[in-house]
Amino acid sequence: DTEVTQTPKHLVMGMTNKKSLKCEQHMGHRAMYWYKQKAKKPPELMFVYSYEKLSINESVPSRFSPECPNSSLLNLHLHALQPEDSALYLCASSSRAVGGGNTDTQYFGPGTRLTVL
Amino acid sequence: TQLLEQSPQFLSIQEGENLTVYCNSSSVFSSLQWYRQEPGEGPVLLVTVVTGGEVKKLKRLTFQFGDARKDSSLHITAAQPGDTGLYLCAGERVNTGNQFYFGTGTSLTVIP
Repeated sequence: DTEVTQTPKHLVMGMTNKKSLKCEQHMGHRAMYWYKQKAKKPPELMFVYSYEKLSINESVPSRFSPECPNSSLLNLHLHALQPEDSALYLCASSSRAVGGGNTDTQYFGPGTRLTVL
Repeated sequence: TQLLEQSPQFLSIQEGENLTVYCNSSSVFSSLQWYRQEPGEGPVLLVTVVTGGEVKKLKRLTFQFGDARKDSSLHITAAQPGDTGLYLCAGERVNTGNQFYFGTGTSLTVIP
């Protein structure tokens, strides 16, 4: 099973709202990722968690706040977003922790389509 | 500057034609993945290549990893409308904390 699930599928929020995106995997993967993607562009890395600890933050604005409650779950808390934050938000997981040996492969969830009004 | 450059960026072909998508870099990668993505959906893994010179086949799709592990290609034989989508290569760099880097993407449209 190589499934990563994400909820909700679609989210519309105002600039003053607080919402959260959720991601779950049951593959025993040790690394989890958040990406932002605009139409017909490649995904842009936002955050990486390794062994439930934040290992990479790609200078993401503080209005995006990641959380990894346990090895299977990854959340992205959203607050005071801007219309330009509207995008497809993708979660991914991979088996090896960042910095580990051997090769690795990322598996992606279906994404959350976020619209900020 | 993107670490992985894909070409072409856009491709529109007739059903039944063959095509090749290229993914090039000046950096060495320990592995490289190819994904296909449909609008509004997440990327779906097609293949991972890890050995220089490796060739993998998936039905009508043939993937090759360059001998120096700096580039890769995806060849589709007899394209079908179901092949339409955004094709992404992604590489895992050597000696950089094993972070993944995405290519610039190739948007393929196969016309029936």
